[in-house]
Amino acid sequence: DADVTQTPRNRITKTGKRIMLECSQTKGHDRMYWYRQDPGLGLRLIYYSFDVKDINKGEISDGYSVSRQAQAKFSLSLESAIPNQTALYFCATSDPLGEINYGYTFGSGTRLTVV
Amino acid sequence: AQSVTQLDSHVSVSEGTPVLLRCNYSSSYSPSLFWYVQHPNKGLQLLLKYTSAATLVKGINGFEAEFKKSETSFHLTKPSAHMSDAAEYFCVVSARRGYNKLIFGAGTRLAVHP
Repeated sequence: DADVTQTPRNRITKTGKRIMLECSQTKGHDRMYWYRQDPGLGLRLIYYSFDVKDINKGEISDGYSVSRQAQAKFSLSLESAIPNQTALYFCATSDPLGEINYGYTFGSGTRLTVV
Repeated sequence: AQSVTQLDSHVSVSEGTPVLLRCNYSSSYSPSLFWYVQHPNKGLQLLLKYTSAATLVKGINGFEAEFKKSETSFHLTKPSAHMSDAAEYFCVVSARRGYNKLIFGAGTRLAVHP
């Protein structure tokens, strides 16, 4: 099994619908992140969580919300999807003691299309 | 504040020729620098990292990068490209104080031709 698992892998949804992207990890890491990737823009941070009770907005949090249900689970929700939220979404985890040497561990991504 | 600029959005090389992917960074603190690779339909994989030890860093699959503080650069190189190197590459900077937030460059898509 992958260290960081994202579901679904692909999703097409309609404008105005609520959608949840899920992420689970087996790394035992406290820190989890949600990024979105757009062509030519690299990855941008949406939300991050240092533990179950610590959730923080990233640089592009508008239109998104998150839930840290457990150390191993971090979900991203789009309350009312809009077309410019069409993107590739990545979940990542890190261990503060290992970040410098090992960076982050990324999931395989969820490709979301809003029509 | 930290930022990173990848100077080429696309690079095309022939198999067996050298690869150079250019990255400049800006950081208020002593930075940690990373290169990540993303193969089609895959997640991001750490290629190599600089964390204030040796300035010439060796990574997986024959890649290496040199940290040049005077030029604020961290260019990625490989002596001989292989078809399997075709992917998107991201240069990433992280502050080494407090929270190690990653700042990504826009990415460089590497194409390798036979």
